[in-house]
Amino acid sequence: GESVGLHLPTLSVQEGDNSIINCAYSNSASDYFIWYKQESGKGPQFIIDIRSNMDKRQGQRVTVLLNKTVKHLSLQIAATQPGDSAVYFCAVSRAGTYKYIFGTGTRLKVLA
Amino acid sequence: DTEVTQTPKHLVMGMTNKKSLKCEQHMGHRAMYWYKQKAKKPPELMFVYSYEKLSINESVPSRFSPECPNSSLLNLHLHALQPEDSALYLCASSQRAYNEQFFGPGTRLTVL
Repeated sequence: GESVGLHLPTLSVQEGDNSIINCAYSNSASDYFIWYKQESGKGPQFIIDIRSNMDKRQGQRVTVLLNKTVKHLSLQIAATQPGDSAVYFCAVSRAGTYKYIFGTGTRLKVLA
Repeated sequence: DTEVTQTPKHLVMGMTNKKSLKCEQHMGHRAMYWYKQKAKKPPELMFVYSYEKLSINESVPSRFSPECPNSSLLNLHLHALQPEDSALYLCASSQRAYNEQFFGPGTRLTVL
């Protein structure tokens, strides 16, 4: 089955710096990828998604990069702010299924 | 309305009790999901309903019984739970498969 892992359980960054959170997946048939942010005591919040026909997608202060060759995706957050402190999950799915497999999560800590 | 609501926010129950969790969305989404999340872990898929029919049951014990009375409502009936079932139970919805999921805030369940 699919396994999804994040490279670092915790990432500490200075306020104003850029953050990069990485995720690796195992199933080459996976073709839909989502990043979620989960703050303490809340449900996951959708940040950005990307499908396998794209390599890069940008949102407001966030960019997702997808490298299908090495089965890796990353979330870049520009000018990280204290409000970005949360746990970030990548989730992976594929066409024809309702299953979303979540990665283990990376806790982002923003240092003042 | 882009919100998924869940009630109750917190629930404490004994192992012999019967209780229900409720989830509601008014976004016209046709897929609804139950996830279980233990502390410091990613959400784990339990059930998926698609067009009000059970589409996925991830080998969940029968003490958890899902129900989808209509396209806006999703219930999770609980009976004879074990202390290890204590967790955050998250409901989510999506337009259809292969689409972003919107999560509710969750119900924090404690089984004594």
